Amino acid sequence: NAGVMQNPRHLVRRRGQEARLRCSPMKGHSHVYWYRQLPEEGLKFMVYLQKENIIDESGMPKERFSAEFPKEGPSILRIQQVVRGDSAAYFCASSPFHGQGHGELFFGEGSRLTVL
Amino acid sequence: QQQVKQSPQSLIVQKGGISIINCAYENTAFDYFPWYQQFPGKGPALLIAIRPDVSEKKEGRFTISFNKSAKQFSLHIMDSQPGDSATYFCAAPLFNKFYFGSGTKLNVKP
Repeated sequence: NAGVMQNPRHLVRRRGQEARLRCSPMKGHSHVYWYRQLPEEGLKFMVYLQKENIIDESGMPKERFSAEFPKEGPSILRIQQVVRGDSAAYFCASSPFHGQGHGELFFGEGSRLTVL
Repeated sequence: QQQVKQSPQSLIVQKGGISIINCAYENTAFDYFPWYQQFPGKGPALLIAIRPDVSEKKEGRFTISFNKSAKQFSLHIMDSQPGDSATYFCAAPLFNKFYFGSGTKLNVKP
């Protein structure tokens, strides 16, 4: 059973370009989370999605950032018009559980975005 | 407002020693407290977790101690090894949203 797959692992973009990060959850998992991690810092919640629905996007900047988890295919985190401050590691996690969050989060290896 | 506060930020321990990392929370609605371990360049992975109906959980060299009245929980790593060098995050979920502590970078010296 493959784990959470993220790609690309490394992405370099120039200021103003768009970044698209993809996440395929573990088989059977219908809940996807995106977290951002700055160097030497913790994990900052961005968005929680279920298939075709955004459940909680309270951690995501209102502008330039968007996320989706379509019925078919991976979840996508999209960053438009990237700025240097967007440089970070973006982690996707999936979970089979719902309710009070008693389950385990399974993380991917992350996508490291560098904005020049 | 930070839901889960973690300390220390970094920790250096000699091989064979005990590593202790602490977390405190405010929201009494939390009812599940996992610890995640992250190696450089990798994603976090669940290490051990506890529910508040017990005060301690042990798995091998790793123990979680939970103090419900103080709203604190801690990770103890006994006989710490260089291979334990990693960043450790405490967490607590509420309505499917996992709140993570700021992380503790552990360095176990050989």
